[in-house]
Amino acid sequence: GQNIDQPTEMTATEGAIVQINCTYQTSGFNGLFWYQQHAGEAPTFLSYNVLDGLEEKGRFSSFLSRSKGYSYLLLKELQMKDSASYLCAVRSFSGGYNKLIFGAGTRLAVHP
Amino acid sequence: DADVTQTPRNRITKTGKRIMLECSQTKGHDRMYWYRQDPGLGLQLIYYSFDVKDINKGEISDGYSVSRQAQAKFSLSLESAIPNQTALYFCATSDFSDNEQFFGPGTRLTVL
Repeated sequence: GQNIDQPTEMTATEGAIVQINCTYQTSGFNGLFWYQQHAGEAPTFLSYNVLDGLEEKGRFSSFLSRSKGYSYLLLKELQMKDSASYLCAVRSFSGGYNKLIFGAGTRLAVHP
Repeated sequence: DADVTQTPRNRITKTGKRIMLECSQTKGHDRMYWYRQDPGLGLQLIYYSFDVKDINKGEISDGYSVSRQAQAKFSLSLESAIPNQTALYFCATSDFSDNEQFFGPGTRLTVL
């Protein structure tokens, strides 16, 4: 089967660094995505990893280890506006199509 | 102007009623998706369409049907709504690379 695990909630302090972990089990792995979702709003794309290693984009970085079925999203210099849910999603190729499977999300609260 | 729009944004209906949720996009993407989001469960794929003539069931298609009227329009119908279909529904689009999905603002549906 397919399974994606990430912590339900995290808290962090403004200006700090936080790491949100995601582990997955899937067949036909074809990429891992991170999306940000503010409460009541649409998810928005943050990052995409298909090869092992670190992808950096401004204050956000995402890491992937395919052999370990593991990814993390690193947020630096946290700001209050970073309070949101962060969704880990795995793209899986099966039945001739790519399908995106989402984790339940990690709700991050940034406090002063 | 938003690239992916959904109507209505909010809807309250009664058990047994037929409901249609509409999605339109101006991104020129061939691929369109319908998801539902429930607290603690993340996004679950209901149906997806890779072009006007290609429609496929997702993880949770029972009780739902779709229509791809044109490249830009993808509608989701609940033939006979039931209370456990109360959820937040998102439409999304992507190009052929599928390296990023663009989400609409969501429709909050309540079935009494």
